[in-house]
Amino acid sequence: GDSVTQMEGPVTLSEEAFLTINCTYTATGYPSLFWYVQYPGEGLQLLLKATKADDKGSNKGFEATYRKETTSFHLEKGSVQVSDSAVYFCALSDNTNAGKSTFGDGTTLTVKP
Amino acid sequence: KAGVTQTPRYLIKTRGQQVTLSCSPISGHRSVSWYQQTPGQGLQFLFEYFSETQRNKGNFPGRFSGRQFSNSRSEMNVSTLELGDSALYLCASSVDRRFGAGELFFGEGSRLTVL
Repeated sequence: GDSVTQMEGPVTLSEEAFLTINCTYTATGYPSLFWYVQYPGEGLQLLLKATKADDKGSNKGFEATYRKETTSFHLEKGSVQVSDSAVYFCALSDNTNAGKSTFGDGTTLTVKP
Repeated sequence: KAGVTQTPRYLIKTRGQQVTLSCSPISGHRSVSWYQQTPGQGLQFLFEYFSETQRNKGNFPGRFSGRQFSNSRSEMNVSTLELGDSALYLCASSVDRRFGAGELFFGEGSRLTVL
């Protein structure tokens, strides 16, 4: 079945540091890939997405590129802020499995001033 | 556009009781899915409904059930509650996968505590 593997956390960075959170996946068919973010006490919200190979999703300074050859979708940001502290989830949606998304375990990011 | 609304936000039950959680999706979204979030297991898929039909189901016991109404609102029910059912239950809505990438729009969740 489908699966998503994220780098283990937690991750602690200083403000303005470079962020990378690794994500790899296995899936049947041709999945769409997502990063979701969860702030304390809230539900998840979509951060960015990519729907086909070599697509780059971007939002709020975060980027991730859909790499089919390495089955990866790593999240990056050049300069993190304290407000980026949250839990980040990598996920996929496989159009052969209607209505079901598969999530990674989540990576907790803490950014210190 | 109003977001996904879940009620209640917090509830406390005792073992053996049952609970019903409600979810109102974004207007126009016909797919509603439910996830259980716990510190140890992460986000686990419970089930998904589209046009009042359950299309997909995760690996949960039969104590977990759901339904969807004609206005796309959904409910999930957990019977004979166990301590391990304590979790944040998240509802998400989306357009049908045929018309979109499958991105989910989540509510803030219902936090269930079983004593």
